[in-house]
Amino acid sequence: DVKVTQSSRYLVKRTGEKVFLECVQDMDHENMFWYRQDPGLGLRLIYFSYDVKMKEKGDIPEGYSVSREKKERFSLILESASTNQTSMYLCASSLDELKFFGPGTRLTVL
Amino acid sequence: QKEVEQDPGPLSVPEGAIVSLNCTYSNSAFQYFMWYRQYSRKGPELLMYTYSSGNKEDGRFTAQVDKSSKYISLFIRDSQPSDSATYLCAMMIKAAGNKLTFGGGTRVLVKP
Repeated sequence: DVKVTQSSRYLVKRTGEKVFLECVQDMDHENMFWYRQDPGLGLRLIYFSYDVKMKEKGDIPEGYSVSREKKERFSLILESASTNQTSMYLCASSLDELKFFGPGTRLTVL
Repeated sequence: QKEVEQDPGPLSVPEGAIVSLNCTYSNSAFQYFMWYRQYSRKGPELLMYTYSSGNKEDGRFTAQVDKSSKYISLFIRDSQPSDSATYLCAMMIKAAGNKLTFGGGTRVLVKP
């Protein structure tokens, strides 16, 4: 069974704080992704990575950065959190076309 | 206009009924078509995927793709209350990174 884990299920941060969201997968997948999910807007791709130290911008990268130092770990960083970054954040990894998601982190920025 | 359109619902059906879900899309280059199920406060779970046009069946689930009409469907037979969830369609052009484009999701409620 593919397992994608995320460091926190719920997180509350204050405006201006630096926030780290961690994602780990155990299936040696090359590709990893960060999405955010908002009511009425669906899932939107923030960043993805198809190899260690490689990253590509998705559809909404503004205000975010990522880090992939090891194949199994993909981190999403909010340099200075803002209230409009309150959302559900979903990490995924993929083997070819099959994408597997983690349980999500619900982030609230006050 | 969104690249992938999906009716948000909610779609309410009695237990045992057939659930019919669909998505339309505008990009004829999409090659892979997926359906995900998402329970409340959980991550999406891959249900089915198909490549190009045609039908695929897995137990109570049937996925259909009509590329000429840019229309995909998911049917759930003999629906159960445990099928109550949000169903997301997603599509992909095979390329570096394998980016998925999602529909907004349809919320389904199966009443006992």
